[in-house]
Amino acid sequence: EVQLVESGGGLVQPGGSLRLSCAASGFTFSSHWMHWVRQAPGKGLVWVSRINNFGTTTTYADSVKGRFTISRDNAKNTLYLQMNSLTVEDTAVYYCVRVRRAGSNWFDPWGQGTLVTVSS
Amino acid sequence: QSALTQPASVSGSPGQSVTISCTGTSSDVGGYNYVSWYQQHPGKAPKVMIYDVTNRPSGVSNRFSGSKSGNTASLTISGLQAEDEADYYCSSYTTNSPCVFGGGTKLTVL
Repeated sequence: EVQLVESGGGLVQPGGSLRLSCAASGFTFSSHWMHWVRQAPGKGLVWVSRINNFGTTTTYADSVKGRFTISRDNAKNTLYLQMNSLTVEDTAVYYCVRVRRAGSNWFDPWGQGTLVTVSS
Repeated sequence: QSALTQPASVSGSPGQSVTISCTGTSSDVGGYNYVSWYQQHPGKAPKVMIYDVTNRPSGVSNRFSGSKSGNTASLTISGLQAEDEADYYCSSYTTNSPCVFGGGTKLTVL
């Protein structure tokens, strides 16, 4: 079964840092581009970042550029999102998603999400 | 990158058909055939229903169909069922970003 399981969310103060992880199983992780998508409480989906299958190409939304870093360890089948200088606007459920076909935005599956709460 | 425009809500009775629109620009919806639709039930992760404008993944009911005309994509759900009640989001590849989502549409089955 193809599965993505996020972890690492929690409560952090403004200005703090957090690293999210996404453990992949059931497919050849190293063959797929991966993305992070977030959803603030009661709000819509917002694209955050993507990384190619080799880990050599990354792209970020303007709202997180310079503060977040996406990376992956293909040997560990794990995707990461390092989040620094967090603000209350970063409070959201963070989903990791697999791209079914490189270059598309066909996201399948989605992980169950991990909640990040930025608050003092 | 501005979000794609979707109606905040739509509704229909069981058995009826409903269509959800997703309006963008020539830099996203109108310029690429990379429009996807996602269904999200409360407290759950989104699930892909349509990809590449018209394609339905294996396992998704054929009651769901997608189309595009100009800068507007549409998701049509025929033979509405109670289980279709959920939030629906469109997404598109864009000139300046790999992905932009619509604001979401809440579907109510009356």
